[in-house]
Amino acid sequence: DSGVTQTPKHLITATGQRVTLRCSPRSGDLSVYWYQQSLDQGLQFLIQYYNGEERAKGNILERFSAQQFPDLHSELNLSSLELGDSALYFCASSVGGTTDTQYFGPGTRLTVL
Amino acid sequence: AQSVTQPDIHITVSEGASLELRCNYSYGATPYLFWYVQSPGQGLQLLLKYFSGDTLVQGIKGFEAEFKRSQSSFNLRKPSVHWSDAAEYFCAALWEYGNKLVFGAGTILRVKS
Repeated sequence: DSGVTQTPKHLITATGQRVTLRCSPRSGDLSVYWYQQSLDQGLQFLIQYYNGEERAKGNILERFSAQQFPDLHSELNLSSLELGDSALYFCASSVGGTTDTQYFGPGTRLTVL
Repeated sequence: AQSVTQPDIHITVSEGASLELRCNYSYGATPYLFWYVQSPGQGLQLLLKYFSGDTLVQGIKGFEAEFKRSQSSFNLRKPSVHWSDAAEYFCAALWEYGNKLVFGAGTILRVKS
């Protein structure tokens, strides 16, 4: 158990819908990262927040957004969902910056029908 | 562009045999290097990391990796594989002036008894 929790575990929704994925980092960790894992794209970094502020951005679509709240939990919002958004979404956390060890949560499996 | 290559998509080894998983990185400057393992239905777990210094790095679960600058490689090894090592292994790199982990495509390890 990494100490990072993600909810829900599974999510099934329809095209065009909007969903919110939630992540609680390990106690004491200030950074939260979001990743997408799909068969065709592999594991891709989406976005990082550090202590409530956006720190780095990867291959995140404009339809996707994230935020980190004062209690350091984070949410990833996915809107206007397409079939191709079906993937495993991982959250990771670290104490500080990117060179610190990232601890991954169990992931949320999103299926868009 | 910064990239990480894992040339082997699948590897099958017999239980008790030695293992080597290959990883190469591109883009001149030496990055920070990581190996993660993902068991089915689980998040990623860090096995080991290399930042600088001794080029042979020891990790958890009996794994080690050797950094070779001349070959831009960071291969993962284990002297004797156990059936519980069956999983997918990801090599990742973080360049000093980058802000994101770049993952390889992964190598699926099968262990036969």
